[in-house]
Parts: sequence; C-alpha cells; structure tokens
Amino acid sequence: ETGVTQTPRHLVMGMTNKKSLKCEQHLGHNAMYWYKQSAKKPLELMFVYSLEERVENNSVPSRFSPECPNSSHLFLHLHTLQPEDSALYLCASSQGVGPDYGYTFGSGTRLTVV
Amino acid sequence: AQKITQTQPGMFVQEKEAVTLDCTYDTSDPSYGLFWYKQPSSGEMIFLIYQGSYDQQNATEGRYSLNFQKARKSANLVISASQLGDSAMYFCAMRERRGGSNYKLTFGKGTLLTVNP
Repeated sequence: ETGVTQTPRHLVMGMTNKKSLKCEQHLGHNAMYWYKQSAKKPLELMFVYSLEERVENNSVPSRFSPECPNSSHLFLHLHTLQPEDSALYLCASSQGVGPDYGYTFGSGTRLTVV
Repeated sequence: AQKITQTQPGMFVQEKEAVTLDCTYDTSDPSYGLFWYKQPSSGEMIFLIYQGSYDQQNATEGRYSLNFQKARKSANLVISASQLGDSAMYFCAMRERRGGSNYKLTFGKGTLLTVNP
C-alpha cells in the first residue's frame, strides 16, 4: 500500500452510463492529480488540484469531470464516454507542486468502455 | 519535441547482473527534478529515485542509482544485482515549471525490463 487508494480497481461501463472513480490519500499531501495511461502512450496529465483548487486542466473533454471536496479525496466523474477512453486511470498526490516533490501513485482503475 | 526520451522500448538482463536504462530530457528551466518510477503488471507506479537539477552528487537508493549528466541532459537509471522481481516497466519523468508556482511532471514512454533467471 502506497497510501493512495483508488476504487474501483476495474470498471466496465457502457457509453451511456455514468460512473465515478474515487481516490483517497492519507499522507497529508495537499496536491492531487489524475493521469490517463493508454497503451503505447506516455502518461497524460489530466487534472491538477492544489489545496482543493483546480490549477490545471489539460484540455480534457467535458465528459470527464473532476471533483476535490477536500485535500484527502479526489473523484473523476464519467459520463457518455467513448471506447477510446478505455485506459488505466491513475491518481497521485504530492506534498506540494514544486520541482522537488515526487508523486505517490495509487494502483489505478482499469476502465473499459463498451 | 519530446520532453523525456527513453530510447529502449525493451531490455533484457540476466539475474544478478547490472542494467542501465537510458533517459534524456529537454528543458530550459534551470530548476527541475528527475524521477524514475517502476510499474509492475499490477499497474501501480512505484517511486524509485529522485535527482534535483542542483544536486552535485548522483542519487542512490539501495540497488538503484541515477547517473546524472547535466551537460548531456541525461539521467540514466542503473539497477545493480538484478532480481526477478525487477521485471516491470520503468518510466523516467521530469518535473519543470509550468507557469507561476506550478510544476508539471512529464513522463517518457517507458522501458520494459525483463530479468531472466
């Protein structure tokens, strides 16, 4: 266990469904991130939250909607997804947003859109 | 242009031998951080080692060491005495300024390491 917990580990959803991914960290970190990892592509940063405020949105389609209710929890709400959205979604946290701060990652949610 | 380049899609090494995984980076920011992560088939990204751009000495963490050559902009990972459990994807990453006080972590495409018995 890294201290960052993601649920569910696996998710299969239809294109008309609505689902949410959950991330929880108990490390006292104040920044949280969503990354997308598709096959044969580098990890893509989706969203950055610092002190519960969204500081970065990397041109992510609106069918992905993040929510950070407090510094320990991060959600990714999904609706009307496309098959190309199938990927491993990784959550990470860090103590800060400076260059010295490494990320602690969760185990990811493997999403399949059918 | 790619920010992080890992030129080895796959590498093989015999158990108990050392292996070097290559990483070059591109940045104009004088203050940056370099990281290596390991991703087993389970999917979790495991932090291995960190090197700051102003660090004078190469970072070491147990069997992992980072060969930092700043002028060449390379940050190769050296794994000594390879073990079967080292078989995984390895990602090099760089954190640089994105604007204001925000720094972005950018990953390379990864190297798949296979340790043979």
